[in-house]
Order: sequence, then C-alpha cells, then structure tokens
Amino acid sequence: KQEVTQIPAALSVPEGENLVLNCSFTDSAIYNLQWFRQDPGKGLTSLLLIQSSQREQTSGRLNASLDKSSGRSTLYIAASQPGDSATYLCAVIANSGYALNFGKGTSLLVTP
Amino acid sequence: DARVTQTPRHKVTEMGQEVTMRCQPILGHNTVFWYRQTMMQGLELLAYFRNRAPLDDSGMPKDRFSAEMPDATLATLKIQPSEPRDSAVYFCASGLVPQVGYTFGSGTRLTVV
Repeated sequence: KQEVTQIPAALSVPEGENLVLNCSFTDSAIYNLQWFRQDPGKGLTSLLLIQSSQREQTSGRLNASLDKSSGRSTLYIAASQPGDSATYLCAVIANSGYALNFGKGTSLLVTP
Repeated sequence: DARVTQTPRHKVTEMGQEVTMRCQPILGHNTVFWYRQTMMQGLELLAYFRNRAPLDDSGMPKDRFSAEMPDATLATLKIQPSEPRDSAVYFCASGLVPQVGYTFGSGTRLTVV
C-alpha cells in the first residue's frame, strides 16, 4: 500500500524567506504527483502536476521537483508572503486505477 | 473556469438519520472520486468511478455507506444510518484519465450529533 509522508507537519517562517516542503512515498510505481494548497475551511486547489517522466514543474514562485527512484518530491516556495499561509498537500497518483494517495500535509504560516 | 459542484455545503443531522451528498463533476471528466477529510486521518479515499462504473469502494464502510453515479452529471454518497464518527468534510473530485490532474469541489461539512 502506498504511504505518503510530508515533513515537516508545520512550519512558521518570516515573510521573504525561501522554503522547502518535503514529500516522500514508498512505492515508486507512480503515474504522476500533484501538489495542492488548502486554505482553512476550504477545498483543495491544484498547484502543480508533475508527470512521472518529468523532473520538475514551475509556476510563478513555486517549483516542484520529483525523484521517482528515491521516492521524493519537494515543493520550493521563493520569497514567501503571508498570503502563502495554508496547508500544502502532496498526492501521488498510482499507475493502477489512477487514484490519489495523500500525505497529511504541511501547515505553513508566513508571518509579516 | 470549470468546477466541481458539491451540495450541500454544510449538513447537521442527528445520529441515525440518512444523509445524501451530491456532486456534479466537470463535464467531460471520466473519473469521479469521493474523499473524506478528518483532522486525525487526513484525506481518505472512499470510492471512485470511471465512466460511471464503480472501480473501488474498499475505503467505505459497506454496511452504512453507498456511492452511486446515476448519470454523467451526478454522483451521490449516502450514509444510512449516520453516526457521530462520520462527522468530517467530504470531498468530491473529478478528472480526465489518463490526462490526470484532478479538480476538487469545495466539500460538504457533515456534523452528526
């Protein structure tokens, strides 16, 4: 069974810092990996999708990398802002069935 | 922007009552998921459909939960009878497999008292 782990569980940084969120998964046979953002009391917003054949994807200040062989992905946020405060969820998509397996998320607080 | 629509947004019900949650997936998407989110367990997959056919419902308590997709524009999740431990946020998501990348609805927050 695929296990997805996100470290750290919570993170507090001052505005302007660059930061890295980590995601690891136990089964490297994945179709792709998706990063989501969730604001309190809200649904999930897709941030980045990385196909299994890709190494990274970028969108604005966000960069996500994927190392399938080691079972790791990182989400890099450059020049963090208070508006980035949210929970960030990593999900791997299985080769079979294409279901999403989620980590428990990293709760990020960016202080002014 | 196309979106997944879930109703109701909030539901408070008494233990033992039937609860029905509805989801309208994005038109043209062939895969629909139901997830449950709690503080303790995070996001758990309950069931999903491909082209309206159930693919996997192993995450659901079979004695009280049922999921159906009567047509391509509607997916339902029913709980009968409901219990306090069912209190959670229930999310529906849809996508076009294999060009995956899934879109989530805003969720139904269920409270069973």
